Amino acid sequence: KTQVEQSPQSLVVRQGENCVLQCNYSVTPDNHLRWFKQDTGKGLVSLTVLVDQKDKTSNGRYSATLDKDAKHSTLHITATLLDDTATYICVVADRGSALGRLHFGAGTQLIVIP
Amino acid sequence: EAAVTQSPRSKVAVTGGKVTLSCHQTNNHDYMYWYRQDTGHGLRLIHYSYVADSTEKGDIPDGYKASRPSQENFSLILELASLSQTAVYFCASRTDYAEQFFGPGTRLTVL
Repeated sequence: KTQVEQSPQSLVVRQGENCVLQCNYSVTPDNHLRWFKQDTGKGLVSLTVLVDQKDKTSNGRYSATLDKDAKHSTLHITATLLDDTATYICVVADRGSALGRLHFGAGTQLIVIP
Repeated sequence: EAAVTQSPRSKVAVTGGKVTLSCHQTNNHDYMYWYRQDTGHGLRLIHYSYVADSTEKGDIPDGYKASRPSQENFSLILELASLSQTAVYFCASRTDYAEQFFGPGTRLTVL
């Protein structure tokens, strides 16, 4: 059963617009949650990590929130650029696993058009 | 910055052939992982290793073997490649603080 669900599956926005990506999970016990950016044909690049029960982070035009009670995270991208076109993947670490087991969402494909 | 490299970056193999994917990391990480990525699915764990000369099965190990001859190197071996193994394969290594660093991926096509 999929333990990390992302929505929407895909999203098209115009350059300069803001967008919000959602991540819901059922991983228990949950440790930290990380958002990755994956350009087409490339590897995963970490954008931000959220650790606390209710956490917020900011990394330039990217900001994220985490609510562990709700098991929900959001990634906000402000003033999108064409280079933001990529797949964004939500990953939840399993605190109960010594091997550092990660649970991956299927990703949201973001397309930024001129 | 952790460096994880993979080779080859892409490969076309024939059904029933043997395929070896290689991963190399330069940061003395103990843990290394192999994942596969299929369209519409999250990455899934195939094999992992926490020490040289030892490997462990992940969630989807069938059809795959792994080898960890040294701390730096971790290979994924498909003894008899099948069509269903067409995917993108990622290697990752981990620090003690559980952050995993990913390689650029290997695109494998089995014909």
